[in-house]
Amino acid sequence: SQTIHQWPATLVQPVGSPLSLECTVEGTSNPNLYWYRQAAGRGLQLLFYSVGIGQISSEVPQNLSASRPQDRQFILSSKKLLLSDSGFYLCARNVGGGRGNEQFFGPGTRLTVL
Amino acid sequence: KQEVTQIPAALSVPEGENLVLNCSFTDSAIYNLQWFRQDPGKGLTSLLLIQSSQREQTSGRLNASLDKSSGRSTLYIAASQPGDSATYLCAVSRSPLFSGGYNKLIFGAGTRLAVHP
Repeated sequence: SQTIHQWPATLVQPVGSPLSLECTVEGTSNPNLYWYRQAAGRGLQLLFYSVGIGQISSEVPQNLSASRPQDRQFILSSKKLLLSDSGFYLCARNVGGGRGNEQFFGPGTRLTVL
Repeated sequence: KQEVTQIPAALSVPEGENLVLNCSFTDSAIYNLQWFRQDPGKGLTSLLLIQSSQREQTSGRLNASLDKSSGRSTLYIAASQPGDSATYLCAVSRSPLFSGGYNKLIFGAGTRLAVHP
């Protein structure tokens, strides 16, 4: 089966501290991977996507960055967190071909910046 | 710019009712439309995907329809159960051919459903 793991599940960090969220995918090779953020009272917003190792595209300018060091690993980072970075971060992958690019999501990481 | 709207924002029904959730989008040039379920504090679970050439998809008690020309989709839930209580999200995407090879989803704000016994 194809599974998405996200770590950690929850995180509380002070303003100005660094951040590293990890997403790993099982059961598929060369997936397209995505980072979304769901902020309180707001919808899901696409932050980054990657079509392969070392290939990162950003959707919106922000305090965050992403990296893809391995085919099945996608990392979201920040050097200095802001209060506005609080939210629920979701990693996703899509399935192409006959599945019509159906997108599947991981369990998410709840980030609270204090 | 594609915008997705979901109506109603919240819905509370007694168990056993059939119900309809609505999703509308402003740009009819979509590649597919996907319905998700989100339980509190959890990730998204894909329920149904309708490709632009399709009119509807069914899975168990769920049926999703798509009218691309009018920019609308509905999710029909038959014989609702308390376990159906969750937030339901609708998302549309453009063809990867026009999106740099990736599948960017534009989400609605969701419909929060409560089914009470």
